[in-house]
Amino acid sequence: QKEVEQNSGPLSVPEGAIASLNCTYSDRGSQSFFWYRQYSGKSPELIMSIYSNGDKEDGRFTAQLNKASQYVSLLIRDSQPSDSATYLCAVNYQGNLIFGKGTKLSVKP
Amino acid sequence: EPEVTQTPSHQVTQMGQEVILRCVPISNHLYFYWYRQILGQKVEFLVSFYNNEISEKSEIFDDQFSVERPDGSNFTLKIRSTKLEDSAMYFCASSDWLAENTGELFFGEGSRLTVL
Repeated sequence: QKEVEQNSGPLSVPEGAIASLNCTYSDRGSQSFFWYRQYSGKSPELIMSIYSNGDKEDGRFTAQLNKASQYVSLLIRDSQPSDSATYLCAVNYQGNLIFGKGTKLSVKP
Repeated sequence: EPEVTQTPSHQVTQMGQEVILRCVPISNHLYFYWYRQILGQKVEFLVSFYNNEISEKSEIFDDQFSVERPDGSNFTLKIRSTKLEDSAMYFCASSDWLAENTGELFFGEGSRLTVL
């Protein structure tokens, strides 16, 4: 059974702070990892992908991958109220994405 | 920007009825997927489709479900005899050949199915 685990939250941070979202996965052979953002009632929207150990930065978002620990994280700097959403961690298992339950982030003005 | 489109956006049906959800994937994409999300729960993989056949399916995708690519543009999900527990948002997704290996999927806006 392929598992992707996330803390469901809610995670509440003040506007301008750093939000840190974490994810662990069960299959050591996984190579591709993704963070999707999902607003309530909407479809998942890809915001970051990461394939190699280390950090990958894109604007205010930084994804971190540690394959030895089977751990993926997403940092959101200078959090904005518009970042309030559920963040889904997804792992590619043989071409199919398996999602975690998501972490609900609330950014307070 | 190319996008995946789904119809209907919301369908209400009686238990036991057949439902067909339709999707138009991005035109140059080769891999197609259906996912579902029961309210308040996680996005779950149902089935993947490539070269006019199912590539992989989950335990959820039982004999009540079928997929079809009836022409060059549409990709459909049929639920033969709906049950109450089929009530969910159904997302279609597509990817190109690179994304099939990297997992970068493009999702439609979803079709909400309500079974009464």
